[in-house]
Amino acid sequence: AQKVTQAQTEISVVEKEDVTLDCVYETRDTTYYLFWYKQPPSGELVFLIRRNSFDEQNEISGRYSWNFQKSTSSFNFTITASQVVDSAVYFCALSEPSLSGSRLTFGEGTQLTVNP
Amino acid sequence: DVKVTQSSRYLVKRTGEKVFLECVQDMDHENMFWYRQDPGLGLRLIYFSYDVKMKEKGDIPEGYSVSREKKERFSLILESASTNQTSMYLCASSSSGASGANVLTFGAGSRLTVL
Repeated sequence: AQKVTQAQTEISVVEKEDVTLDCVYETRDTTYYLFWYKQPPSGELVFLIRRNSFDEQNEISGRYSWNFQKSTSSFNFTITASQVVDSAVYFCALSEPSLSGSRLTFGEGTQLTVNP
Repeated sequence: DVKVTQSSRYLVKRTGEKVFLECVQDMDHENMFWYRQDPGLGLRLIYFSYDVKMKEKGDIPEGYSVSREKKERFSLILESASTNQTSMYLCASSSSGASGANVLTFGAGSRLTVL
């Protein structure tokens, strides 16, 4: 069975600090997708990034970057120069192919608080 | 702006009541999902539907049922609410496809308290 672990329950940083959110996953499939979602205080999860298992290139989008390493089954998320607006719960998720439609398995979530 | 709309943001019900949580999407998505979110447990899948009148159990279906009579609407039903069903309920939808690549669009959530 697939599993996603986010060992950091809560992280608190001061504005402008860099912060890395860890994500470790387990799967028996060779084809799968990894996702990160952000849940701000309003409650609605917002999609951030999707990665397929065959693409290990790291990705950067503004202050956000993602490091995917199949060798350690990790898909970590780094925010550079954090801002107060980055405060949210962040979820890592794993999806596997399924004939009845894809479904995501989520990690426990990491509550990030960025203090001014 | 595409949306997944959950009818109630906050509900308070009594033990034993029947509870309906409604979800509507306007993206013509085939797949719809109900998740439950609890602190320290992340999101857990209750049920999902990949077509009208079709449903599949997720990881924690006990105590819940669902209904999908129209493509745009997916309802979660608690036949007899219990206090351990106090939680945040999130509805999501996605386009069809078996590859696992589909991005889910979420509603804002329904926070249910069962007294």
